[in-house]
Amino acid sequence: DAGVIQSPRHEVTEMGQEVTLRCKPISGHDYLFWYRQTMMRGLELLIYFNNNVPIDDSGMPEDRFSAKMPNASFSTLKIQPSEPRDSAVYFCASATGIMAKNIQYFGAGTRLSVL
Amino acid sequence: AQTVTQSQPEMSVQEAETVTLSCTYDTSESDYYLFWYKQPPSRQMILVIRQEAYKQQNATENRFSVNFQKAAKSFSLKISDSQLGDAAMYFCAYTGYNFNKFYFGSGTKLNVKP
Repeated sequence: DAGVIQSPRHEVTEMGQEVTLRCKPISGHDYLFWYRQTMMRGLELLIYFNNNVPIDDSGMPEDRFSAKMPNASFSTLKIQPSEPRDSAVYFCASATGIMAKNIQYFGAGTRLSVL
Repeated sequence: AQTVTQSQPEMSVQEAETVTLSCTYDTSESDYYLFWYKQPPSRQMILVIRQEAYKQQNATENRFSVNFQKAAKSFSLKISDSQLGDAAMYFCAYTGYNFNKFYFGSGTKLNVKP
């Protein structure tokens, strides 16, 4: 299996622009997570899905952030409009729950720079 | 509230020596999972080892082992025969048994000296 695939690896944009981050989970995994990593705040869980349904989005910082999972093999995290403070590495992870002992498998991350 | 604390922001170890990274957590649950993840400069998060709270036996994966003290809510990682490739950030993580809680510690940067 190719693992969790995220695109793009790097994104540089200007303040006010819309940014879309993409994630393809491991086939067969029914959980998908979006994390944000910064030096100041460490690794934060933004939102997670189970069977394509958002379960907990309490970590989403504000209305500028939205996430969707239209099917089991694809998810997006969108920031509109983007701000410099959104600069971070965004990780997607997937898992299969209890039977697989709750192991989350991470993608390589997207480094976002908002100028 | 559940939290995960790593009190050592940075540590150093000589190659071939042993080092222990500390992690404590707070939870009101009796069943849960604990993990150590490694993040090298490539930034890829890699699972190092996993412990199920209902198992008393400490998990071991080759040179990596844990000291799980459930009553003390402590979960330390021991790396034996340290190698240069072990240099990375190490994160302690907690997930609830029903996969409804996810917490990561702030990380410990491990330096390995040749």
